[in-house]
Amino acid sequence: DGGITQSPKYLFRKEGQNVTLSCEQNLNHDAMYWYRQDPGQGLRLIYYSQIVNDFQKGDIAEGYSVSREKKESFPLTVTSAQKNPTAFYLCASSIGEAAYEQYFGPGTRLTVT
Amino acid sequence: GENVEQHPSTLSVQEGDSAVIKCTYSDSASNYFPWYKQELGKGPQLIIDIRSNVGEKKDQRIAVTLNKTAKHFSLHITETQPEDSAVYFCAGMDSSYKLIFGSGTRLLVRP
Repeated sequence: DGGITQSPKYLFRKEGQNVTLSCEQNLNHDAMYWYRQDPGQGLRLIYYSQIVNDFQKGDIAEGYSVSREKKESFPLTVTSAQKNPTAFYLCASSIGEAAYEQYFGPGTRLTVT
Repeated sequence: GENVEQHPSTLSVQEGDSAVIKCTYSDSASNYFPWYKQELGKGPQLIIDIRSNVGEKKDQRIAVTLNKTAKHFSLHITETQPEDSAVYFCAGMDSSYKLIFGSGTRLLVRP
């Protein structure tokens, strides 16, 4: 059963702690993306990777970091430098380097208190 | 860069009626326009997309139309059902081949 998995679905952390969100895909897609969604708002791009061992900053990369060591995996670390980390985080992938037919995972809701 | 505006922000229709959501984009070079449906607490689901070389695309009860001259595209849902209730997002592709999303439309289908 092909798709994108994100774990965990809910994540709670104390302020000042780094936290890593998992994203795995078995679609053999080249490109992977991380978005942030705040209540009642659209999707904002954090980071994206079009090829293994390479990634680019999106519109709101400050306070986040990523790695792309394997084609299937694109973990996102929310660092303590992110001033307002509580949000719904969505991972996505697309078959080629461009975002045609981009598919999303189920999301991780992060709450930092 | 690309900017996508979406309206209305909320839309309430009676079951069986049609719903139309409209988006405008700024970059005339943009050539790909997907629509996503997001149910509460879930990731967005790609429901239909259109490329700039066609003016309309249909898939059962949903259709998308594109007017390149006016730089706007619309999602049409006919014979709406309660399960169509969700948030819908449009998007356009920018010059770096990334998607720029609209702000979303919350559709409520009243039984």
